[in-house]
Amino acid sequence: DAGVIQSPRHEVTEMGQEVTLRCKPISGHDYLFWYRQTMMRGLELLIYFNNNVPIDDSGMPEDRFSAKMPNASFSTLKIQPSEPRDSAVYFCASSRGMGVNGETQYFGPGTRLLVL
Amino acid sequence: DAKTTQPNSMESNEEEPVHLPCNHSTISGTDYIHWYRQLPSQGPEYVIHGLTSNVNNRMASLAIAEDRKSSTLILHRATLRDAAVYYCILREYNYGQNFVFGPGTRLSVLP
Repeated sequence: DAGVIQSPRHEVTEMGQEVTLRCKPISGHDYLFWYRQTMMRGLELLIYFNNNVPIDDSGMPEDRFSAKMPNASFSTLKIQPSEPRDSAVYFCASSRGMGVNGETQYFGPGTRLLVL
Repeated sequence: DAKTTQPNSMESNEEEPVHLPCNHSTISGTDYIHWYRQLPSQGPEYVIHGLTSNVNNRMASLAIAEDRKSSTLILHRATLRDAAVYYCILREYNYGQNFVFGPGTRLSVLP
């Protein structure tokens, strides 16, 4: 299995631009998670999906952030417009979600975003 | 989710055992103890989890105190590749799906 795939791995953009981060979860996993990691705040959960439906988006910082999961094999996290304080590493993770062993999350390599 | 307390950092020598402590005095009877680690420039990865009994897998061992108010992750022979941030997380089984990551313990392994 290729694991969780994220693209791009690095993104540099200017303030005000739209940024789209992409994630392909592990096949057969029913849960998908988006996290953000910064030095100041550590690793924070932004949103998670179950069977393509958003379950908890309470971690999404503001309306500039949106996430979608159009099918079981693809999700996007969009920031529009981007701001310098959005600079962080964004991780996608997935899990089977069945049973305590199914709660194990598998993380992608992350997208390192820099907003100038 | 109940709170955990870990040392900010620890050091170990290569090929020696490492004991990473975690305090969780407010743990409830249904909380599982999960450990993840994050290698430099990578996403977190699962290490081990347990409820009451000690657990072993190919990566590590998890020793859980009898009163469950603390636990210890044991790396039997540290390698340079084990240098990472180690997170101890409590999760109530089948209650939501999100993990709350604290600051963790940064483990340095000296050659």
